[in-house]
Amino acid sequence: GNSVTQMEGPVTLSEEAFLTINCTYTATGYPSLFWYVQYPGEGLQLLLKATKADDKGSNKGFEATYRKETTSFHLEKGSVQVSDSAVYFCAPPNFNKFYFGSGTKLNVKP
Amino acid sequence: KAGVTQTPRYLIKTRGQQVTLSCSPISGHRSVSWYQQTPGQGLQFLFEYFSETQRNKGNFPGRFSGRQFSNSRSEMNVSTLELGDSALYLCASSPTSGPTGELFFGEGSRLTVL
Repeated sequence: GNSVTQMEGPVTLSEEAFLTINCTYTATGYPSLFWYVQYPGEGLQLLLKATKADDKGSNKGFEATYRKETTSFHLEKGSVQVSDSAVYFCAPPNFNKFYFGSGTKLNVKP
Repeated sequence: KAGVTQTPRYLIKTRGQQVTLSCSPISGHRSVSWYQQTPGQGLQFLFEYFSETQRNKGNFPGRFSGRQFSNSRSEMNVSTLELGDSALYLCASSPTSGPTGELFFGEGSRLTVL
């Protein structure tokens, strides 16, 4: 069946380092994929999304491309900041929008 | 456009009490879903209401209930509180029901049960 697999964390990086959080999918067709972010003490918010194959979502310096060749939707950022420390969710893990995985916690050190 | 509003933001209860949490969705959104987030279990789906009807339900005991009003505002209630109910409760709104689409989350209500 349809599924999304996200790398486990935590991920610890130094400020200005390059970030990749892996997310791969198995699906029939190309359902929409999302990256949500949850900053400490807050609810989730949509970071970016892609609705079809080869779509590229981008926001706040983050990018993710919906790649059909590699069935991936990896999240990338060229230079992370301390303020990017948060939990990132590639969703939905079973293509049902109400269900989330445990996310990947990112810690960025100054 | 105002976002999703949850009240109260913080509350403390004791075991055996009950609690009611409120969620006002984005204007025009008819779907409201509720989640429990704990460090050990992550983000777990409680239920979804659409046009005053429960459309989807997660795997929680009957102590957890909800309702939705005609203006799409929703409340969830937890009766006979247990220590394990301490969590961040999030609600999210969406313009449509069903398994696809984007969710818009509130800031959450943090419940502590003593």
